[in-house]
Amino acid sequence: QKEVEQNSGPLSVPEGAIASLNCTYSDRGSQSFFWYRQYSGKSPELIMSIYSNGDKEDGRFTAQLNKASQYVSLLIRDSQPSDSATYLCAVTIGTYKYIFGTGTRLKVLA
Amino acid sequence: EPEVTQTPSHQVTQMGQEVILRCVPISNHLYFYWYRQILGQKVEFLVSFYNNEISEKSEIFDDQFSVERPDGSNFTLKIRSTKLEDSAMYFCASSPTSGGADTQYFGPGTRLTVL
Repeated sequence: QKEVEQNSGPLSVPEGAIASLNCTYSDRGSQSFFWYRQYSGKSPELIMSIYSNGDKEDGRFTAQLNKASQYVSLLIRDSQPSDSATYLCAVTIGTYKYIFGTGTRLKVLA
Repeated sequence: EPEVTQTPSHQVTQMGQEVILRCVPISNHLYFYWYRQILGQKVEFLVSFYNNEISEKSEIFDDQFSVERPDGSNFTLKIRSTKLEDSAMYFCASSPTSGGADTQYFGPGTRLTVL
């Protein structure tokens, strides 16, 4: 069974701090990796995609991928109360199948 | 900005009844997906669809489920003989290309309640 593991949280950080979210995956063949944000009762919204080892930055968000360790992370700089949500890690299994983790609930305290 | 739409937003049905959930993917997208999310649980892949056929399906997607693209715009998920445990949020998604090479865009979801 291919799995994506995340700490369910909640992860609480003060406003303005860096939030660090982590994800591990079991399928060494996974090629594509995604971070989604999901507000309660809403659909997942893509934040970042990453396909190769290293860092990828987009505004306040940085995704990090280490395929050897089967590890993906997301850093959120200058966290805002509006960043409070559940963050979902997703990876591809083969070409057409996406597996999501259970998500990490982030709370940014004003 | 183009978006994926889903109807209805909420569907209530009796156990054993058939339901059809509808999705209109973004118009130039080629790959379509259905996911479900039971309350408080993770988003689960059901099926992917390309070129009028299923590309991949999960263990959840058994004979009770079927998908169809009946015309050039709609993408449907049919659940035959619904069970209580089918109660969940069902999300449709679409992408221009496959396999993570491009982004999946999610619709707002249909909440299915089976009584």
